[in-house]
Amino acid sequence: RKEVEQDPGPFNVPEGATVAFNCTYSNSASQSFFWYRQDCRKEPKLLMSVYSSGNEDGRFTAQLNRASQYISLLIRDSKLSDSATYLCVVNLGPDSWGKLQFGAGTQVVVTP
Amino acid sequence: DTEVTQTPKHLVMGMTNKKSLKCEQHMGHRAMYWYKQKAKKPPELMFVYSYEKLSINESVPSRFSPECPNSSLLNLHLHALQPEDSALYLCASSQDGTGQGGLDYGYTFGSGTRLTVV
Repeated sequence: RKEVEQDPGPFNVPEGATVAFNCTYSNSASQSFFWYRQDCRKEPKLLMSVYSSGNEDGRFTAQLNRASQYISLLIRDSKLSDSATYLCVVNLGPDSWGKLQFGAGTQVVVTP
Repeated sequence: DTEVTQTPKHLVMGMTNKKSLKCEQHMGHRAMYWYKQKAKKPPELMFVYSYEKLSINESVPSRFSPECPNSSLLNLHLHALQPEDSALYLCASSQDGTGQGGLDYGYTFGSGTRLTVV
């Protein structure tokens, strides 16, 4: 079983619609969680950290469920510019020298 | 300055060449990383430098040799590479070098060097 698993998609989303997808992680010692966005042939860019209480940044909402070991990302009012691959990233904490575990990414395609 | 700068952006090298990738950050971050990313795959960790000392080598072949001359710079020296080493090489940094630096703020990635070995 992979340590961080994501649905690869693609999720084809009409402009203006809402899309949501999850990521599961296997290591219960994981300490922090992030969503990164990666455009084709570009570097990953931090989209948002994911906090236990859930957090929102504009049209993006992230949730963490430690009991079930998954995080989620919801995008409201999708824009064409939201088309990208969204990487779920888990930090295993100081005992693992802060190593990041990356999911394989979920591709989102927003269509006009 | 909130960027990680990598040079060159593109590199084509022969299997007998020696080249170096460079990475620079001026955010005061004390941990720096090299990742390798193949097409349609997530980044794979290669090396971690913490307070300018190598703390993790993910069993990377010796044809890749990292170097951290100071807290702002990270190099990756390449020698006798194979065509399968062609990939996007990403440098990243995080706040402190104890392994806790990325806990709250994540990592900042450079734009990468796209390497082609011919």
